[in-house]
Amino acid sequence: KNQVEQSPQSLIILEGKNCTLQCNYTVSPFSNLRWYKQDTGRGPVSLTIMTFSENTKSNGRYTATLDADTKQSSLHITASQLSDSASYICVVSIFRDAGGTSYGKLTFGQGTILTVHP
Amino acid sequence: DAGVIQSPRHEVTEMGQEVTLRCKPISGHNSLFWYRQTMMRGLELLIYFNNNVPIDDSGMPEDRFSAKMPNASFSTLKIQPSEPRDSAVYFCASRNRENTEAFFGQGTRLTVV
Repeated sequence: KNQVEQSPQSLIILEGKNCTLQCNYTVSPFSNLRWYKQDTGRGPVSLTIMTFSENTKSNGRYTATLDADTKQSSLHITASQLSDSASYICVVSIFRDAGGTSYGKLTFGQGTILTVHP
Repeated sequence: DAGVIQSPRHEVTEMGQEVTLRCKPISGHNSLFWYRQTMMRGLELLIYFNNNVPIDDSGMPEDRFSAKMPNASFSTLKIQPSEPRDSAVYFCASRNRENTEAFFGQGTRLTVV
């Protein structure tokens, strides 16, 4: 079972519409949660980061929410644009001990593939 | 800064051959990661370096995989011998301190035939 699960796997919407992507995680101890956007053929780029004490954070048309109690996060995209077509990946940073060194290990969800049609 | 630079962008090789992937992290970043991305498994951490020292290599799938970071500005991921199941996109990422954003390179798409 994946430690970070996203839904839906894929989503098609019309330009200008809103959409919400979901992320559930089971990993612990939790450091922070990020949403990444990955365009086809490119590396992931961070959209927003949230710590366990933050509930909502916005970055332009992107708004992320976090409920640390239920271990759920969502990414809401408003007024979608064609350029929003991409894979959106939920990434949870967990504390990991390796060889006596603790660091924040990124655990990735499988991503939601968003397609925006004109 | 040009960002994280990976080379080559695409690599096609025959099974059994040695493959070397290269990465130049962002100047000043002291952490470097190698990831592998496949449709089935998504992004998986292979190895993590901090200050050029390998800290966590638990994600390296087999002895056929090895990674080095001889200095702060260069790292390699080597597969010897390569197998068709190694076909994937390999990403390098760097960050400058704990809990800051990890910046990814463009990736190397490896195809082993």
